[in-house]
Amino acid sequence: EDQVTQSPEALRLQEGESSSLNCSYTVSGLRGLFWYRQDPGKGPEFLFTLYSAGEEKEKERLKATLTKKESFLHITAPKPEDSATYLCASPPAGGSYIPTFGRGTSLIVHP
Amino acid sequence: DGGITQSPKYLFRKEGQNVTLSCEQNLNHDAMYWYRQDPGQGLRLIYYSQIVNDFQKGDIAEGYSVSREKKESFPLTVTSAQKNPTAFYLCASSVGTEGEQYFGPGTRLTVT
Repeated sequence: EDQVTQSPEALRLQEGESSSLNCSYTVSGLRGLFWYRQDPGKGPEFLFTLYSAGEEKEKERLKATLTKKESFLHITAPKPEDSATYLCASPPAGGSYIPTFGRGTSLIVHP
Repeated sequence: DGGITQSPKYLFRKEGQNVTLSCEQNLNHDAMYWYRQDPGQGLRLIYYSQIVNDFQKGDIAEGYSVSREKKESFPLTVTSAQKNPTAFYLCASSVGTEGEQYFGPGTRLTVT
């Protein structure tokens, strides 16, 4: 069964304190990985798609990287407005039409 | 602007009543999805549709029903058979089933 696991479940940072979120997966025939940001009470917002190992994508203070077994979302010098839950997901694989979502990492950045 | 909309944002119903949640998209996406999100549970798939007039059950379809009569619309009905309907409901769409999903703002349903 395909699984996507995110760690840590929650992360508290001081403003400017860089860190990384992890997304590990056991997906047969992986064909990419998605990252989303979700603010409280809102729908997830699409951030990145990574298609192959070694690929990197950046957006403002966020950089997503992908290896054969896991993905990292690096947050450089975070600001309070980066506080949100970050979700990763693998697209359907192995004949399924359903993506597999992780449970997310709740990030709080203190000023 | 292209996007996906859900209405209403908040919905209150009495136990035993059916209620329909609206989801509309103007992104010209073929695939649409309904998820339920509860605290600490992550996203759980209720139903999905790959194309007009076709839909499949997800992991937690019991007590829910959907229709897909138009490409733009994928309404979800929460029936009285759903034992614990109070939750945050999210609709999403994607170009195909393999691409990234775009989510609506969500509907928070409270049943008392």
